[in-house]
Amino acid sequence: QKEVEQNSGPLSVPEGAIASLNCTYSDRVSQSFFWYRQYSGKSPELIMSIYSNGDKEDGRFTAQLNKASQYVSLLIRDSQPSDSATYLCAVNFDTGKLIFGQGTTLQVKP
Amino acid sequence: EPEVTQTPSHQVTQMGQEVILRCVPISNHLYFYWYRQILGQKVEFLVSFYNNEISEKSEIFDDQFSVERPDGSNFTLKIRSTKLEDSAMYFCASSRQGAGTEAFFGQGTRLTVV
Repeated sequence: QKEVEQNSGPLSVPEGAIASLNCTYSDRVSQSFFWYRQYSGKSPELIMSIYSNGDKEDGRFTAQLNKASQYVSLLIRDSQPSDSATYLCAVNFDTGKLIFGQGTTLQVKP
Repeated sequence: EPEVTQTPSHQVTQMGQEVILRCVPISNHLYFYWYRQILGQKVEFLVSFYNNEISEKSEIFDDQFSVERPDGSNFTLKIRSTKLEDSAMYFCASSRQGAGTEAFFGQGTRLTVV
């Protein structure tokens, strides 16, 4: 059973701090990794995709991938209260479908 | 910016009734998906669709479910005889290509079976 694991949180950080969200996955064949943000009652919104080992930066967001450790993370710099949401890690294992983790709830306190 | 649109946003139906959820994928996308999310649970894959046929389906997607692309723009999910446990948010998604490409989600349809 291919799985994606996240700590459900909540992860609480003060405004302006760095939030670090982590995700592990079970299959070494995985090639594509995605972070989605989901506000309560809303749909998943794509934030980042990452395909190669290393870091990928987009504005305040940095995704990090380590395939040997089967680990992907998302860093949010200068966290804002509007970043408060659930962050979903999704992995594309071998077909087009995405397998999602249960999500980590982030709370950014003013 | 192109987006996936879904209708209705909320559907209430009686147990045993048929429902059809509708989606308009992003226009130049070729792969279409349905996911669902039961309240408080993970987003779960239901089915993927490419070139007018199902390319993959999950264990959840049993004979009660079907998908169709009735014209060049719409993509539908039909549940033939709804059960209480079908109550969930249903998300349509589309991607330009298949494996490995970014998928974009619609705003969802909240299905409540009473």
